[in-house]
Amino acid sequence: DSGVTQTPKHLITATGQRVTLRCSPRSGDLSVYWYQQSLDQGLQFLIHYYNGEERAKGNILERFSAQQFPDLHSELNLSSLELGDSALYFCASSPPDFPGTQYFGPGTRLLVL
Amino acid sequence: AQKITQTQPGMFVQEKEAVTLDCTYDTSDPSYGLFWYKQPSSGEMIFLIYQGSYDQQNATEGRYSLNFQKARKSANLVISASQLGDSAMYFCAISRGGTSYGKLTFGQGTILTVHP
Repeated sequence: DSGVTQTPKHLITATGQRVTLRCSPRSGDLSVYWYQQSLDQGLQFLIHYYNGEERAKGNILERFSAQQFPDLHSELNLSSLELGDSALYFCASSPPDFPGTQYFGPGTRLLVL
Repeated sequence: AQKITQTQPGMFVQEKEAVTLDCTYDTSDPSYGLFWYKQPSSGEMIFLIYQGSYDQQNATEGRYSLNFQKARKSANLVISASQLGDSAMYFCAISRGGTSYGKLTFGQGTILTVHP
């Protein structure tokens, strides 16, 4: 158990819908990262937040948005969902004294039908 | 841009033997970090080992060691005394180092199967 929690574990929804994925980092970690893992794209970095501020953006679609709240939990919002958005979405956090290492949550498996 | 290449889609090893998973990288950053993660069939990503670009010694963590050859830009993972539970997908990843730690760039992964 990495100490990073993600909810829900599984999500099944329809095209055009909107979903919210939630992540709680390890206690004391200020950074939260979101990644998408799909069969065709592999593991792709989406976005990084540090202590509530956006630090970096990767291959994140405009239909996707994220935020980190004052209690450091983070949410990834996916809207106007398409079949191709079906993937495993990971959240990771890293400790301030060793920011290089990221600890991953169990992931949210999203299926868009 | 940083890039990771894992050329072995699949590897097989006999239980209790050692196995090496290959990883080569490309980066223009003078400071960077190299990581290996394990992803079992259950899906979670488990951090295994880290090597900093300025580290003089190869990293070791229990049965895992990282064979770091900077001039060749390779960071191979060595698993000693393989166990059935080592069967999983293994990802090599790279990030910028120093105070610029940020996103991880992953390779395509290697599926390791340990035979009894």
